[in-house]
Amino acid sequence: AQSVAQPEDQVNVAEGNPLTVKCTYSVSGNPYLFWYVQYPNRGLQFLLKYITGDNLVKGSYGFEAEFNKSQTSFHLKKPSALVSDSALYFCAVRDKNRGFKTIFGAGTRLFVKA
Amino acid sequence: KAGVTQTPRYLIKTRGQQVTLSCSPISGHRSVSWYQQTPGQGLQFLFEYFSETQRNKGNFPGRFSGRQFSNSRSEMNVSTLELGDSALYLCASSLASGGDTDTQYFGPGTRLTVL
Repeated sequence: AQSVAQPEDQVNVAEGNPLTVKCTYSVSGNPYLFWYVQYPNRGLQFLLKYITGDNLVKGSYGFEAEFNKSQTSFHLKKPSALVSDSALYFCAVRDKNRGFKTIFGAGTRLFVKA
Repeated sequence: KAGVTQTPRYLIKTRGQQVTLSCSPISGHRSVSWYQQTPGQGLQFLFEYFSETQRNKGNFPGRFSGRQFSNSRSEMNVSTLELGDSALYLCASSLASGGDTDTQYFGPGTRLTVL
């Protein structure tokens, strides 16, 4: 069965510092991995995805994520956090053999302090 | 290009009633998926439609149903509402031309409150 774990409910960083939001996954086949961000009272906004190829994926707003097959992880990173990055972040996985059924992690709330 | 639109944005119903939510995908997108978001359960997949056919279904009771029209617009219906159905219902659309690698783009959601 597919599953996604985001081990941290909340991450706190100071503005200007690097940030990491963690994600691990479990699928039976080849994973398609996604990161989304949600601002209050808004839908989810797509940040980036890993389908195949280079393990380092660059996305919107300066975010990037590294796919690590051996550790089954797909951590989201940004070299320098902004206060405006404060939001709820979701990791999601889609099994290659299960169409569009996407499983989301529980979400990690990021607080960036000025 | 306009994004995914959902109507209504807010809805208040009472137990036992039924409700219909609407989703208009991005122009040219043929796949529409529905998700339920609650504080306790997070984001849960309801179902996905492509070319007016349901392709995938999550683990929700039969009270939750949907359909897709020939213009790719989709509706979701919940009958015999329960208090636990209070949630943010999100719709996502994708091109579906490349299959399951396509990115899903989400609408702002419909906030349903069941009293």
